[in-house]
Amino acid sequence: EPEVTQTPSHQVTQMGQEVILRCVPISNHLYFYWYRQILGQKVEFLVSFYNNEISEKSEIFDDQFSVERPDGSNFTLKIRSTKLEDSAMYFCASSEDRTEAFFGQGTRLTVV
Amino acid sequence: QQQVKQSPQSLIVQKGGISIINCAYENTAFDYFPWYQQFPGKGPALLIAIRPDVSEKKEGRFTISFNKSAKQFSLHIMDSQPGDSATYFCDRGYQKVTFGIGTKLQVIP
Repeated sequence: EPEVTQTPSHQVTQMGQEVILRCVPISNHLYFYWYRQILGQKVEFLVSFYNNEISEKSEIFDDQFSVERPDGSNFTLKIRSTKLEDSAMYFCASSEDRTEAFFGQGTRLTVV
Repeated sequence: QQQVKQSPQSLIVQKGGISIINCAYENTAFDYFPWYQQFPGKGPALLIAIRPDVSEKKEGRFTISFNKSAKQFSLHIMDSQPGDSATYFCDRGYQKVTFGIGTKLQVIP
C-alpha cells in the first residue's frame, strides 16, 4: 500500500542551525502539506503546496520556513535558524484530490 | 475554511462497549467526511470516510452514520478494544485537514 515516508525519524539540532526535513509523498498525489505538533498540543497546519507553489500558509510559517519540491518525488521543509520553540513533531501529508490526506509517521525535531 | 464541531472531547469506554463520537457541520458544499485516528507519537491516519449520499458506511468494527437533515455524522466503534485508545478527528474533504482537539478515546479493560 502506498505511503508517505519521512526522514529522518528523529533529528537533534543546535539552536540557530538549519534543518531540512524530508518527505516522499505518494507518487500520484498533487497536494502536499506540512503540519507540526508540539508535545501535548494539537496538530497545527503549516503550509500547503500545489502546482509547485505554496497555496496556503499559516501564521506559524514565517520567513524562517521554506518548502521545496526539488524533484518529482521529494518534498522538503527547511527551517533556517532553529529556535527552541521549533521542537515538535513535523508531519508531511499528501492528497490526490483533497478529499482525504495521507500522513507520514513524522520527524521528531529536538532543538537544544 | 468550513469547520466541523466534534464531541465529546474525551471518552472512556469499557472494553467490548460501543464508542460514539459525533460531528456537526455547517453546510453541504463539500460532500466528503473523513475520520482520522492518531496514536501518541504517531502521525494521523485516515480511518474511514463517507459521502453524504450514503447514510452509513461500515469497515470492520468502525461505522460512520450520516444524518444529512441534521447535518451530523458520527463514528461508532463496536466492541471497543484497548488498542482503539487514540485521538479521533472528524474533518471535511476538499480542503486542508484542520485538526481541532479531537476526541481522546480511552478503552479500559
